[in-house]
Amino acid sequence: QVQLVESGGGVVQPGRSLRLSCAASGFTFSSYGMHWVRQAPGKGLVWVAVISYDGIDKYYADSVKGRFTISRDNSKNTLYLQMNSMRVEDTAVYYCAKDRRRAAGGIFDYWGQGTRVTVSS
Amino acid sequence: DIQMTQSPSSLSASVGDRVTITCQASQDIRNYLNWYQQKPGKAPKLLIYDASNLETGVPSRFSGSGSGTDFTVTISSLQPEDTATYYCQQFESLPRTFGPGTKVDI
Repeated sequence: QVQLVESGGGVVQPGRSLRLSCAASGFTFSSYGMHWVRQAPGKGLVWVAVISYDGIDKYYADSVKGRFTISRDNSKNTLYLQMNSMRVEDTAVYYCAKDRRRAAGGIFDYWGQGTRVTVSS
Repeated sequence: DIQMTQSPSSLSASVGDRVTITCQASQDIRNYLNWYQQKPGKAPKLLIYDASNLETGVPSRFSGSGSGTDFTVTISSLQPEDTATYYCQQFESLPRTFGPGTKVDI
């Protein structure tokens, strides 16, 4: 069955960096677009970024553009989110989500359990 | 960006009740609309995609309808396990955006 397991969360100071990983199994990882979605404490869901199946096309929310980088290693079935220049408002649970389609489709049919990121001095 | 709104923001109903949640987009999104269910402390789960298609494994008491700017998800007979927050999400354009959520209590 499809499994997505995020890791890499933790507590980080403002201005510092963190890299999240999402290990995928149970499906052909290299055939699907992948997303990061975050949820601040007690708040709703916010889409962060998407990467196409081949890693060529990437799109970001304005709030993270220029600071976050989404990438993937299809040989390792792993999705990444490099977060730089982090801000207090980046504090959230970060979910990776599989897309139903190859590109930046937008139907999130499987989700990981999430990894918590806290940005605080 | 396309803004998504939902109503009500929360509701309380009884087991067996028919419950309807509405979602409105700030512009025409055709049928590019999904619904998710999120239980406390858990990841969201896809319920309905393309506005009206039931995801595999989702109970048939859930249904979705709408197109353009106005959408609904209906639970025909509310069950205790349906206690959750429900989110709509558009994928007509980037950035993908979610509604603020509707919390359903029993």
